[in-house]
Amino acid sequence: QKEVEQDPGPLSVPEGAIVSLNCTYSNSAFQYFMWYRQYSRKGPELLMYTYSSGNKEDGRFTAQVDKSSKYISLFIRDSQPSDSATYLCAMSAGGGADGLTFGKGTHLIIQP
Amino acid sequence: DTAVSQTPKYLVTQMGNDKSIKCEQNLGHDTMYWYKQDSKKFLKIMFSYNNKELIINETVPNRFSPKSPDKAHLNLHINSLELGDSAVYFCASSQDTGRRLYFGPGTRLTVT
Repeated sequence: QKEVEQDPGPLSVPEGAIVSLNCTYSNSAFQYFMWYRQYSRKGPELLMYTYSSGNKEDGRFTAQVDKSSKYISLFIRDSQPSDSATYLCAMSAGGGADGLTFGKGTHLIIQP
Repeated sequence: DTAVSQTPKYLVTQMGNDKSIKCEQNLGHDTMYWYKQDSKKFLKIMFSYNNKELIINETVPNRFSPKSPDKAHLNLHINSLELGDSAVYFCASSQDTGRRLYFGPGTRLTVT
């Protein structure tokens, strides 16, 4: 079993729809959770950052973490064509310099 | 101002050659990283480095070596390049180690 599982998609939805992206993980030591957005031929861009369980909202984006289920989600409301990108979940136990463990990314397409 | 920069953006070279990729960050971060993104978009950590320790992913061949002349720079040197080294290499930095990483634009390496 891989440490972080993420459906690669592609996920295609019409403009204005609510998008739900998800990751599951197996390492119970993870306590820092992030979502990155990566446009084609660009570097990953930090979108959301959450510590431990709970919700965090930033504009049209909401991140949810359920540590008991080892499950994290990213919701995008009123999706726009400019949201079309690959979304990568990432997580860390924190401390040291271990960096982040990434999911494989979900390719999201918002149809105008 | 660019936070994390890498040069070159594209690198095409032949098998057996030695090449270097340079990375600089102006965020004042203490920890820098090299990640490799393969053709399936999977991001995998290669190295992390701060003032005190170098952590090497055990799966990275010893043909790859990070070199840090100072806290703001972490270069990647690759000896005897192989076809399988073709990928996009991302530099990243963080202040809160193991948590929020900020990525450079990537270097697309093609070995022929």
